[in-house]
Amino acid sequence: DAKTTQPPSMDCAEGRAANLPCNHSTISGNEYVYWYRQIHSQGPQYIIHGLKNNETNEMASLIITEDRKSSTLILPHATLRDTAVYYCIVRLTGAGSYQLTFGKGTKLSVIP
Amino acid sequence: NAGVMQNPRHLVRRRGQEARLRCSPMKGHSHVYWYRQLPEEGLKFMVYLQKENIIDESGMPKERFSAEFPKEGPSILRIQQVVRGDSAAYFCASSPGQGANYEQYFGPGTRLTVT
Repeated sequence: DAKTTQPPSMDCAEGRAANLPCNHSTISGNEYVYWYRQIHSQGPQYIIHGLKNNETNEMASLIITEDRKSSTLILPHATLRDTAVYYCIVRLTGAGSYQLTFGKGTKLSVIP
Repeated sequence: NAGVMQNPRHLVRRRGQEARLRCSPMKGHSHVYWYRQLPEEGLKFMVYLQKENIIDESGMPKERFSAEFPKEGPSILRIQQVVRGDSAAYFCASSPGQGANYEQYFGPGTRLTVT
């Protein structure tokens, strides 16, 4: 699996957009980019995933660069409840694709 | 639609006892995964099961740990003769399919404390 690199921590003002970067320079053409978050010690929460195109859902937007070597998760209007550890995960397709490999993630603190 | 359910949420066992952790997947999901999170660490994959079959248990410790997902009822993660190092949060996830395009939905976890 391709490795990911994320900043260990970030701050964001409440109401502003939170932009969380992720580098995955060794990603292969058939690997998906997934984002999860873990609030305090709860179970990880699925946010969004994509392969090549940008994606948007009710929670966030995912911007993947054209060369697919990096991506950005955007929370458009951060609230205090978005304070969490955010994990960027690259998933294989095919055999072994079911394993999610969690790194250290980015600890996002939303500040009032 | 109920999410993934796990019970108990907290479990305390003395060294040498057995721990049984249960997971009920989301409705319509037949793929179950177990992950472990040691204190101050990330989640680590343990095992992947479909109904009545273990597909991949490459992340399971070789001894004392076993998992099942019977035709009827929840998936069970069983830890025999627990030791202090087994203290961790155990998370179950489920998905409707196997491929990389299927997201996994996690339960709230079971926090095991071994005294």
